[in-house]
Amino acid sequence: GAVVSQHPSRVICKSGTSVKIECRSLDFQATTMFWYRQFPKQSLMLMATSNEGSKATYEQGVEKDKFLINHASLTLSTLTVTSAHPEDSSFYICSASFGTKWSGEQFFGPGTRLTVL
Amino acid sequence: QKEVEQDPGPLSVPEGAIVSLNCTYSNSAFQYFMWYRQYSRKGPELLMYTYSSGNKEDGRFTAQVDKSSKYISLFIRDSQPSDSATYLCAMSRANAGKSTFGDGTTLTVKP
Repeated sequence: GAVVSQHPSRVICKSGTSVKIECRSLDFQATTMFWYRQFPKQSLMLMATSNEGSKATYEQGVEKDKFLINHASLTLSTLTVTSAHPEDSSFYICSASFGTKWSGEQFFGPGTRLTVL
Repeated sequence: QKEVEQDPGPLSVPEGAIVSLNCTYSNSAFQYFMWYRQYSRKGPELLMYTYSSGNKEDGRFTAQVDKSSKYISLFIRDSQPSDSATYLCAMSRANAGKSTFGDGTTLTVKP
């Protein structure tokens, strides 16, 4: 149980285009979803937290207009990187938690590698 | 100073060795303690979860939490080459809604 999927697993795009990444919880209802960014050999950097039906809460320094997050249902969240540039190239990972009370447990997706040319 | 400190390694051990991975933290309000394993180019996988102080064992893995010392450990017995990965500690306050992660320790188990 507690499986989270991401699509696509890898995407290459031209500078200036927008890219959408989907995150789905396959066997549970995700009350909260998280989006992380990870550079090579570095730790996870939390970008934003979203609850179903609510606006995402972005971490300090993360551009809200650049990284659009939609948590439309209890099983789906999307991250759209708008007008992507080479510096946005990174490994993007979503995670999800369930239950009405925060317990610290998160289940991660397999990640999406974005390369902007 | 970071809230969670984790030695990045790298750590290299022979197959069969006992591995000890550690994190220290500064926030005494942390109550939930997690260890994640991340293989290269994959998402992290929840390995161990502990609430408050104490030990938890799952197969070859043992997680220890010492809240008085603000120190958590993950022990891997009879380490295998398949254990080669980056191990991330994470911890959270109650009602925080998010966790604080260590930078990860890269482990290589050599056959």
